[in-house]
Amino acid sequence: EDKVVQSPLSLVVHEGDTVTLNCSYEVTNFRSLLWYKQEKKAPTFLFMLTSSGIEKKSGRLSSILDKKELFSILNITATQTGDSAIYLCAVSTQGAQKLVFGQGTRLTINP
Amino acid sequence: DAGITQSPRHKVTETGTPVTLRCHQTENHRYMYWYRQDPGHGLRLIHYSYGVKDTDKGEVSDGYSVSRSKTEDFLLTLESATSSQTSVYFCAISEFVGTSNYGYTFGSGTRLTVV
Repeated sequence: EDKVVQSPLSLVVHEGDTVTLNCSYEVTNFRSLLWYKQEKKAPTFLFMLTSSGIEKKSGRLSSILDKKELFSILNITATQTGDSAIYLCAVSTQGAQKLVFGQGTRLTINP
Repeated sequence: DAGITQSPRHKVTETGTPVTLRCHQTENHRYMYWYRQDPGHGLRLIHYSYGVKDTDKGEVSDGYSVSRSKTEDFLLTLESATSSQTSVYFCAISEFVGTSNYGYTFGSGTRLTVV
């Protein structure tokens, strides 16, 4: 059975700190890994990663994939209160038209 | 928004009553999904559709049924609601290019409470 595990499940930091969120996976025929940010409503897309070692970056957020060790990290530098959200990791596999999600990491940024 | 709406946004219902949630898209995407979100579980797939009248079960399909009679609408029905079905329900749409899935676009969610 395909499995995606995120850690930590919850994280509280102060504004300005740097955080690293983890996502590991055990799936058959990996295709891609996706990160989403969920504030009050619908998750919104952040990154899609398909190749090992290539960093995707958007402002203060960055992510990288390690297909040998089967994990990805999402880094957020100089955190702001607006970064407070649930961060979801999901994996797609070859031939399957659906995503498998991890449990999510609830990130709280205190001023 | 990418043209996906869910209705209702909130619903409170009694145990044993039937409930139908609606997902409507204007993107003409082939794939539509229903997920539920509960604390500690992330998003879990209930059912999904890969075309009109073509549906398949997800990992938590017991107690739920779906229908897709038109490309734009995907209905989720709880035949006899139970308290364990209290949750936030998300619809999502997706498209594939070849065999590549470029991820989902989500609706705003339906918060369902079964009392």
